[in-house]
Amino acid sequence: DIQMTQSPSTLSASVGDRVTLTCRASQRISSWLAWYQQKPGKAPKLLIYKASSLQSGVPSRFSGSGSGTEFTLTISSLQPDDFATYYCQHYNSYSPAFGPGTKVDIK
Amino acid sequence: EVHLLESGGGLVQPGGSLRLSCAASGFTFSSYAMSWVRQPPGKGLEWVSTISDSDGSTYYADSVKGRFTISRDNSKNTLYLQMNSLRAADTAVYYCAKDSMRNRLDLYFDYWGQGTLVTVSS
Repeated sequence: DIQMTQSPSTLSASVGDRVTLTCRASQRISSWLAWYQQKPGKAPKLLIYKASSLQSGVPSRFSGSGSGTEFTLTISSLQPDDFATYYCQHYNSYSPAFGPGTKVDIK
Repeated sequence: EVHLLESGGGLVQPGGSLRLSCAASGFTFSSYAMSWVRQPPGKGLEWVSTISDSDGSTYYADSVKGRFTISRDNSKNTLYLQMNSLRAADTAVYYCAKDSMRNRLDLYFDYWGQGTLVTVSS
């Protein structure tokens, strides 16, 4: 099975910062990668699919890039609503898997 | 508007069984694959199982294979998860999730329910 890792596990940042989160796959997954945002007590929300496609309704300050085994999620200017945990997920096979998450908190 | 509402969670003893339901509305349920994803308290997300839209093909994580059964009733717009031989490690919030693409099995999820908590403890 394909394993996903994310770094850092926690990122402390300020409103207005540009932040970059990294996700790595243990095998090549082409661009079959999604990113989700989750806030405490809430369901995850799809942000990005196919590594770089922005889900409808998601602010354009979110962007994704990468292919193969290394991927990034960038928030161009962090807003108060963006403090949350972010998960990547591969869907390269019939056994999709999530990364362990990156928590973005207030510096 | 898409809406997914899980029910059926609760406290169950190790070795026991539970059946979760997910009532769907706001989209053509029969045209989308559906999945269950779980999250242990304070931990990350784990894909559990998926059922296709068309032929009812099913897929399971190794951690639940042989113990859990996913099914759907397209006439009732409802997804199910029958959980048997439950273990403490199955304790989690269980979310139902809708596949993003119609008539395909893409396995990434554009809508999620609010979740139902399953606690396995004596």
